[in-house]
Amino acid sequence: DGGITQSPKYLFRKEGQNVTLSCEQNLNHDAMYWYRQDPGQGLRLIYYSQIVNDFQKGDIAEGYSVSREKKESFPLTVTSAQKNPTAFYLCASSIDFASGNTIYFGEGSWLTVV
Amino acid sequence: GENVEQHPSTLSVQEGDSAVIKCTYSDSASNYFPWYKQELGKRPQLIIDIRSNVGEKKDQRIAVTLNKTAKHFSLHITETQPEDSAVYFCAATSIGGSYIPTFGRGTSLIVHP
Repeated sequence: DGGITQSPKYLFRKEGQNVTLSCEQNLNHDAMYWYRQDPGQGLRLIYYSQIVNDFQKGDIAEGYSVSREKKESFPLTVTSAQKNPTAFYLCASSIDFASGNTIYFGEGSWLTVV
Repeated sequence: GENVEQHPSTLSVQEGDSAVIKCTYSDSASNYFPWYKQELGKRPQLIIDIRSNVGEKKDQRIAVTLNKTAKHFSLHITETQPEDSAVYFCAATSIGGSYIPTFGRGTSLIVHP
């Protein structure tokens, strides 16, 4: 079954902790993305990666970090520097990095700060 | 960069009515416009898209129209059903930019039985 798998589905973080959200795809897509979703704010881009070992900051990268060591994996770390991390996080991928390629989303991860 | 405005933020209709959601974009170089549907707590899923060389595209009860001169595109849903209730997002991708789609803020569509 092809697709994008995110884990965990729900995650609770204490103040001052770093947490890592996993994203794995078996679609053989070159490009991968991380979005953050808050109510009424739409989808905001955190980081994106065009190819293995390369990634770029999106619109709201502060307090986040990523890695792209393998084509199928693009984990997102929410660091303690992110002051308001409670949100719904969506990982996505597309065949490659070009205009007109459909972006496919994972099921998302809910992160709550406690 | 690209800026996408989406209206309305909330749309309430009776079952069987039509629903129209409109988006405007700022970058005349944008050439790809997808629409996503997101049900509560689930992933956004592509429902229809249109490219700048086409003015209209239909798929059963949904259609999208594009006006390049005015820089706006719209989603039309006819004969709405309760299962159409969801948040709908438009997006625009600029060939002159980074190829990253810019999303609108979303429209919450509520279809009353």
